[in-house]
Amino acid sequence: NAGVMQNPRHLVRRRGQEARLRCSPVKGHSHVYWYRQLPEEGLKFMVYLQKENIIDESGMPKERFSAEFPKEGPSILRIQQVVRGDSAAYFCASSPQGASTEAFFGQGTRLTVV
Amino acid sequence: DAKTTQPPSMDCAEGRAANLPCNHSTISGNEYVYWYRQIHSQGPQYIIHGLKNNETNEMASLIITEDRKSSTLILPHATLRDTAVYYCIVRPWDNYGQNFVFGPGTRLSVLP
Repeated sequence: NAGVMQNPRHLVRRRGQEARLRCSPVKGHSHVYWYRQLPEEGLKFMVYLQKENIIDESGMPKERFSAEFPKEGPSILRIQQVVRGDSAAYFCASSPQGASTEAFFGQGTRLTVV
Repeated sequence: DAKTTQPPSMDCAEGRAANLPCNHSTISGNEYVYWYRQIHSQGPQYIIHGLKNNETNEMASLIITEDRKSSTLILPHATLRDTAVYYCIVRPWDNYGQNFVFGPGTRLSVLP
């Protein structure tokens, strides 16, 4: 887990607000993955990004959710108009390249929607 | 969907070896086997990965059968801190990269 930094660690939002989750990958890593884990459930893939490009967003809800990984700065997962069902732990992982390498995960952001 | 099958839970006595099996009978020639674990609600932790040869590192050993249809993760001397959910994942090796698909995993309980 060393090196992938996620912030905030805990985030509380009221229904209808926006949530912004940040992920700083391991230095030198150009691939970022976002996962969501609902309480007592498994890890579900959301989106896979390479610098400035979305490679696979098949796990991301079509509405209210977006992700970016700009050339400079952290990757951002943005959830607009949050609802109670968005309450979950969101994990980010990074890898130096897509193929044949391991990915390292951060400690996650726990989003609570009240 | 995950391409692996694991037992939902296992127990192991502290100090003994923990052997966690994984079935991946539909694995393709270009797919690696990865193991991760998640301790309580922490972020998943990488353990080991391999293609067809057995692998060992400071955390564990990975034994892959010759036909590559199954593998076993071995924690040689399990401690209480090894209590976690262990995930076996197959992932292609190609230039495009693909995400890691997590199944339900095996919940390992190390007992004192």
